[in-house]
Amino acid sequence: GQSLEQPSEVTAVEGAIVQINCTYQTSGFYGLSWYQQHDGGAPTFLSYNGLDGLEETGRFSSFLSRSDSYGYLLLQELQMKDSASYFCAVRDKREYGNKLVFGAGTILRVKS
Amino acid sequence: DTGVSQDPRHKITKRGQNVTFRCDPISEHNRLYWYRQTLGQGPEFLTYFQNEAQLEKSRLLSDRFSAERPKGSFSTLEIQRTEQGDSAMYLCASRPSGSSYNEQFFGPGTRLTVL
Repeated sequence: GQSLEQPSEVTAVEGAIVQINCTYQTSGFYGLSWYQQHDGGAPTFLSYNGLDGLEETGRFSSFLSRSDSYGYLLLQELQMKDSASYFCAVRDKREYGNKLVFGAGTILRVKS
Repeated sequence: DTGVSQDPRHKITKRGQNVTFRCDPISEHNRLYWYRQTLGQGPEFLTYFQNEAQLEKSRLLSDRFSAERPKGSFSTLEIQRTEQGDSAMYLCASRPSGSSYNEQFFGPGTRLTVL
């Protein structure tokens, strides 16, 4: 089977840095993605790691360690608009067509 | 590029009724996915199309669920004899072909409530 673990909730203040961890157990692994979802909104893509290391996109960075089955999303200079749910998702190499398996999500609350 | 659209946005139905949802993917995206999301959970894969071919269905998908993509453009998801446990947000996503594309573009979803 496949399972992903991430914290259920994280709270941080505006301007701070927050890290959301994700550990996974899958029978096949091709890459780790991160999606953001605001209340009532659609999930939107943030980043993808296919190889070990850090990917940086503006205020957001994502890291992957395949040997540890672990990744994280780093959000810097937090803004109120970053309050949302964040999902890690595994792309399973064995499956057809890039099906994504999502974690249960981490609710990020940014306080002023 | 108008994004992925879904219709209706909300559907309330009584248990036992049939419902059908529509998804219009981004044009030229030949891959289309249906997911289901319940409160406090991540999206759960239901089925996947490449063009008009349905290439994968989740083992969790009961035979009351059927999906089509007859011309390789829009897709429909039908749920027959709805049950209260079917209440969820139904999300559609699309992306172009090619392994280099890692982003799936999600629509706003159809929220189904079964009374």
